[in-house]
Amino acid sequence: QQQVKQSPQSLIVQKGGISIINCAYENTAFDYFPWYQQFPGKGPALLIAIRPDVSEKKEGRFTISFNKSAKQFSLHIMDSQPGDSATYFCAASSLMGSTLGRLYFGRGTQLTVWP
Amino acid sequence: GAVVSQHPSRVICKSGTSVKIECRSLDFQATTMFWYRQFPKQSLMLMATSNEGSKATYEQGVEKDKFLINHASLTLSTLTVTSAHPEDSSFYICSATPGRYLREQYFGPGTRLTVT
Repeated sequence: QQQVKQSPQSLIVQKGGISIINCAYENTAFDYFPWYQQFPGKGPALLIAIRPDVSEKKEGRFTISFNKSAKQFSLHIMDSQPGDSATYFCAASSLMGSTLGRLYFGRGTQLTVWP
Repeated sequence: GAVVSQHPSRVICKSGTSVKIECRSLDFQATTMFWYRQFPKQSLMLMATSNEGSKATYEQGVEKDKFLINHASLTLSTLTVTSAHPEDSSFYICSATPGRYLREQYFGPGTRLTVT
């Protein structure tokens, strides 16, 4: 059972545009929501993360929006650049129970930014 | 900071042999390390969680006798794929977290295993 659902599977955006990737979860025990960026043949790199006590977090061109009541969160990449072309994974974790700190990943979004 | 290395980056081995992959946290002590495998164009699948000095906890469906994990120190965890077969060919990635209640997981660059 997929604990974190991510969409879209692939996304094509023109340079300078806004890329938006959405994730949804069911487990209300989740209290940490990171986004990872992965280039082909490389390990994932932590981009930005949010906790449910805030609705938005911004770091440079990357913003996470969080809707606790809807159990959804999204990544917005402003002024998208060709160098942003990568696979993006959302994830969630909880410190409760036996799953201490374990990350549940979405299926990933392949982002392509056209120059 | 928060750098995790893996060695080797690529390995090709013959069917039936064993392969060891090392995961090191270079600038922090990792109380917990995670091992994942990733197939092309798919998400990361957690294989096991290891805490320093204790036995690893394996995910359902992962054979613990085939994928041996040793978390010998606060900076080193190893994954040994025993009696490897072509279906074990995959991208293996480790991650490490600096502390029990620190949530960030930092990933290594991954190891591409090809079993011929």
